[in-house]
Amino acid sequence: DAGVIQSPRHEVTEMGQEVTLRCKPISGHDYLFWYRQTMMRGLELLIYFNNNVPIDDSGMPEDRFSAKMPNASFSTLKIQPSEPRDSAVYFCASSLGPPDEKLFFGSGTQLSVL
Amino acid sequence: AQTVTQSQPEMSVQEAETVTLSCTYDTSESDYYLFWYKQPPSRQMILVIRQEAYKQQNATENRFSVNFQKAAKSFSLKISDSQLGDAAMYFCAYRSYFGNEKLTFGTGTRLTIIP
Repeated sequence: DAGVIQSPRHEVTEMGQEVTLRCKPISGHDYLFWYRQTMMRGLELLIYFNNNVPIDDSGMPEDRFSAKMPNASFSTLKIQPSEPRDSAVYFCASSLGPPDEKLFFGSGTQLSVL
Repeated sequence: AQTVTQSQPEMSVQEAETVTLSCTYDTSESDYYLFWYKQPPSRQMILVIRQEAYKQQNATENRFSVNFQKAAKSFSLKISDSQLGDAAMYFCAYRSYFGNEKLTFGTGTRLTIIP
């Protein structure tokens, strides 16, 4: 398996624009996570899905953020409208779930909002 | 809520020497998992080692081993025979055994290997 695949690797946009980040989890993994990494706050969980259903979205910062998982092989994280404080690295990760608890991460998307 | 603390923002070690990275955590749960992840300059998070809290034996993966002290809520990572490729950010992480599947991360330790 190719691992967790994220696109794009880098995204530069202007304040107010819509940004869509994409993730393809490892085939067969039932759990998908979106994390955000910044210097100030470290790694924060934004949302996670189990079998395509959102389970915990308490980490989503505000209504400008939304995440979907229309099927087992694809998820998106959308920011609309984007703001400079959204600049961060966004990671997608997947896991099989209990009893296998290992998370596998993608390479992340470096988002810069100007 | 669980918290994970890494008190060493930066560490350095001579190549071929041994280094220990510290991690403490706070939880009221008795069953859980602990992890060390490595983040090299390539940015991707790589699992280094994991420990189940119900196991008393410390986990070992080649040059990497942990010192798990459950009562003290301490989970340190020892890297033996340090190599240049070990240079990275290292994150300690906690995951509940039951219920919530999310990982809670510490703030990380940047490890530099001195040739």
